[in-house]
Amino acid sequence: DIQMTQSPSSVSASVGDRVTITCRASQGISSWLAWYQQKPGKAPKLLIYAASSLQSGVPSRFSGSGSGTDFTLTISSLQPEDFATYYCQQANSFPLITFGQGTRLEIK
Amino acid sequence: EVQLVESGGGLVQPGGSLRLSCAASGFTFSSYWMSWVRQAPGKGLEWVANIKQDGSEKYYVDSVKGRFTISRDNAKNSLYLQMNSLRAEDTAVYYCARGLTSSSSWYGYWGQGTLVTVSS
Repeated sequence: DIQMTQSPSSVSASVGDRVTITCRASQGISSWLAWYQQKPGKAPKLLIYAASSLQSGVPSRFSGSGSGTDFTLTISSLQPEDFATYYCQQANSFPLITFGQGTRLEIK
Repeated sequence: EVQLVESGGGLVQPGGSLRLSCAASGFTFSSYWMSWVRQAPGKGLEWVANIKQDGSEKYYVDSVKGRFTISRDNAKNSLYLQMNSLRAEDTAVYYCARGLTSSSSWYGYWGQGTLVTVSS
């Protein structure tokens, strides 16, 4: 099974900051990676798919990069609405799917 | 507009059974792989099961194999999750999810979730 490990587990930042979240796969997954944002009490929202493709309607301050085993989600300038929990998800072994454990982005 | 509406959650005793449903609309249901994803209280997302468009292939996370069964009724545009031998660790919000495209596993569409609580 492919394991996904996110770091950090939580991060504190201020509005306007640049934030980077990392996701590491236990084996190579090419570009079969997505990023989701989840706010309390809500379903997850797809932000990035295929490692770097921005989902329609998602602000351009969100970007994804990486391939193989190491991936990053970057928020270039944090906005108040970006404080949430972020998850990575691998689809290399589709139809078997794995999510990372999540990274909580908090206001400093 | 794509809509996924889950139902069937509730309180059940350990060892009991529950059947979740997901009513789909706004797209050609029979053309898409469908999934169940769950989230225990205060925890992360966990993929539970996938089913192919015609129901001929089904896949499960190890922790539910032999206890849960995913199924679909394309005539009724509905997805199901039969959960047997429920355990406390199955307590979670269960989401129905669909990919961006017919064979995609990028979950662009989610339901609102239904809460399953396993407790005596």
